[in-house]
Order: sequence, then structure tokens, then C-alpha cells
Amino acid sequence: DTGVSQNPRHKITKRGQNVTFRCDPISEHNRLYWYRQTLGQGPEFLTYFQNEAQLEKSRLLSDRFSAERPKGSFSTLEIQRTEQGDSAMYLCASSPRTSGVFSEQFFGPGTRLTVL
Amino acid sequence: AQSVTQPDIHITVSEGASLELRCNYSYGATPYLFWYVQSPGQGLQLLLKYFSGDTLVQGIKGFEAEFKRSQSSFNLRKPSVHWSDAAEYFCAVGRFGNEKLTFGTGTRLTIIP
Repeated sequence: DTGVSQNPRHKITKRGQNVTFRCDPISEHNRLYWYRQTLGQGPEFLTYFQNEAQLEKSRLLSDRFSAERPKGSFSTLEIQRTEQGDSAMYLCASSPRTSGVFSEQFFGPGTRLTVL
Repeated sequence: AQSVTQPDIHITVSEGASLELRCNYSYGATPYLFWYVQSPGQGLQLLLKYFSGDTLVQGIKGFEAEFKRSQSSFNLRKPSVHWSDAAEYFCAVGRFGNEKLTFGTGTRLTIIP
């Protein structure tokens, strides 16, 4: 049973460059979440997909951020024109759809982004 | 809006000693409460969760937590810590129908021999 995987694990980029991260959820999990975690803080919700539909976006997700989940499988998170403030750990989680209860979210190892 | 407060940024305990990590939440209805652990370079691992029913919940690795509605608290406990418990611990709250989790700022646990 493979867990949630994220690639790359580390990314160093220069300010102004575009970056893209990938998340592969647990097979058959139809919900996928992105969170951002800065140093000394807990994860903060960014966005959430159910299958291929993006159902909620946080105000933290500026116009430079875009997330997709084509075909309801893997997801990508792209950051355009990166800024130093984007440096953080980007976490992906997935959960199964369950009826009537809150679904447990399973987290990947994260992608650490450093913007120079 | 829901929120979580973890008042202790860093706690140091001796190996074999008991542990209690504090968590207070703010939410208008019955919350869904979680404790996660994060080791360096690792993702978040769920330790335990509270949805309803018995207010004392048991989790993995010998951890337990007690939900106290009157105090809006969900403190994590372990009777005897092991060196491998050194990690960052996060309390989180969720609301059914709003799938996002709101996390506290975390408590870093250091274990001394």
C-alpha cells in the first residue's frame, strides 16, 4: 500500500521563476488537499479537490498560484513569478469519500521550496 | 471561524516521564479534533481523532487524548515517553462539510535521557 507521494521533495529556485509540484494521492482516494507550512507554523489550507473539481480555495492562494487535478488522479500546484515569501513546505493530503463522517486525511512528505 | 491554540511552543521531558501537550480550540459546534505528529523530513502522521462518543480516545504509539467541551480542550497525553517520541506535534480541528483542517502552531517535543 503506497501512501501519498510528492515530487520533487526539494526545490530551489530564483525569485521570479515558475515552479510546479506534483502530488500523487493514495489510489482510489477521491479527495485531495494542498496545505502550506512555513517555519514555526502549522500547515495552512490552500485548496481542495473532489475528483477533478476544485471545490474550495483559500484567500492565501493568490493569483500566482494555480492547482489542477486532471482526470481526478494526480494534482499539480504551480506558482508563477515566485517570491521569497513563497518559501515553505507544500503538503499534499488525500482522503477517501465517506458518507456522513469527516474523512481522515493522509499526508505526503511534502515539497520544500526555497526561493532565493 | 475555527481556530486552534497550542500554548506550548517547546516542551522538554525526560525519557520515561509522563507527557501532556495542550490544545484549545474555538468552534461553534461539535468539532472534529485531531492530533498529528511530524518528524523531521516526514509528513504528518495521524495519532488519534475525536468525532463523538467517549471523550477519552486512544491512539497509536500509546498516546491518548481527552475531549473536554467545557474547557474547549483536547489535550494529548502519554504515560511514559520514549526517545523516539521526539517530534513536532500538531492539534487540528475540522468541521463536517468544510473539509479543510485548521492546525495549531505546533509543540516541539524534546526528550532527554
